Amino acid sequence: QVQVVESGGGVVQPGRSLRLSCAASGFTFSSYGMHWVRQAPGKGLEWVAVISYDGSNKYYTDSVKGRFTISRDNSKNTLYLQMNSLRAEDTAVYYCAKDSDLDTWGQGTLVTVSS
Amino acid sequence: DIQMTQSPSSLSASVGDRVTITCRASQGIRNDLGWYQQKPGKAPKRLIYAASSLQSGVPSRFSGSGSETEFTLTISSLQPEDFATYYCLQHNSYPSFGGGTKVEIK
Repeated sequence: QVQVVESGGGVVQPGRSLRLSCAASGFTFSSYGMHWVRQAPGKGLEWVAVISYDGSNKYYTDSVKGRFTISRDNSKNTLYLQMNSLRAEDTAVYYCAKDSDLDTWGQGTLVTVSS
Repeated sequence: DIQMTQSPSSLSASVGDRVTITCRASQGIRNDLGWYQQKPGKAPKRLIYAASSLQSGVPSRFSGSGSETEFTLTISSLQPEDFATYYCLQHNSYPSFGGGTKVEIK
């Protein structure tokens, strides 16, 4: 079945980096755009970034521009989010989601930015 | 950027009640809208896509309507498993979510 599984979360100090991964299965990964969405503790959902099916187009929410980079490896059916210069306000569960209408989500991976 | 205004932010209802949640878009988005249900500690689950199409496997008590700037999610007869938080999502432009509606037991 169609599935995406996030990994790579953890506790990191402010200013440090972390890379999240999202492994896809059950569909032709290279045919679909992919998103990252996050949810801070007790808060609502916030869209973070999107990448086109071939990786040629990438867009970010303003608060992460210049710090986060979305990428993909279609040979490995994997989506990535490289997060640099992390801040306390980046603490959240990070979800990956498939396609322009975000039809399929993973279970999320928790990133905690704390000293 | 398109802003999504969702109301109410919370509501209390009883089993069997009819519940309506509204999302208003800051500009027309055609029918590029989905509704999601989220339970504590779980990922969001899509209920409705294209504003009014029921996701496979979702009970028929859930329905969606609207287009352009006004959208509604209706639960015709609230069940115990429906107590959760609901979000709308527009994907006409860069995606944006409504603020959420927490449905609690009265």
